[in-house]
Amino acid sequence: GAGVSQSPSNKVTEKGKDVELRCDPISGHTALYWYRQSLGQGLEFLIYFQGNSAPDKSGLPSDRFSAERTGGSVSTLTIQRTQQEDSAVYLCASSDQGLGGETQYFGPGTRLLVL
Amino acid sequence: GNSVTQMEGPVTLSEEAFLTINCTYTATGYPSLFWYVQYPGEGLQLLLKATKADDKGSNKGFEATYRKETTSFHLEKGSVQVSDSAVYFCALSDKSGGYNKLIFGAGTRLAVHP
Repeated sequence: GAGVSQSPSNKVTEKGKDVELRCDPISGHTALYWYRQSLGQGLEFLIYFQGNSAPDKSGLPSDRFSAERTGGSVSTLTIQRTQQEDSAVYLCASSDQGLGGETQYFGPGTRLLVL
Repeated sequence: GNSVTQMEGPVTLSEEAFLTINCTYTATGYPSLFWYVQYPGEGLQLLLKATKADDKGSNKGFEATYRKETTSFHLEKGSVQVSDSAVYFCALSDKSGGYNKLIFGAGTRLAVHP
């Protein structure tokens, strides 16, 4: 596609429910990143994929958060048993390779509100 | 660890005024530096970048120079427009893990009035 796309654009859920957020990176980009933008924490790194593997999950805030990537393309970020502090904008970015392609292109984000 | 500090906003200017948004960083090694912009209701867009010391990144009238001696990457524009109203994020590329993880500053909101 022309750019990184994310769905849904907005998600309202009740505390304790599970949510799945989807990211479609730019075609051909092998590196994919998830970030979170929240009022209290600013923009923070969550996880990085190179191809289908995730060598760095250090940014995931708790074991309720998980992510996968299939076919070296689409990625899903899953939050189990959501809490109110999970409310944030979740951003996905892609780049054409890990070190050489430094410029990350961001999607529009998914705004998550946990009631 | 690596970090980015940028001036707090909001910054309020009249159209055609000169803009400076300060950004300093702490890093091991030689990171690349970026300015991203987020317009109201939109996602993050790359504004400009610099990959080594003394490089100047520029785009849409904005400029920033990678200053290793002062560990700074200040954003400047000679004459701002109302359409420049947005949140600006300074970032560095942390390569310590063998890939490019972006470390962002807190963001600076710019409001330009006619």
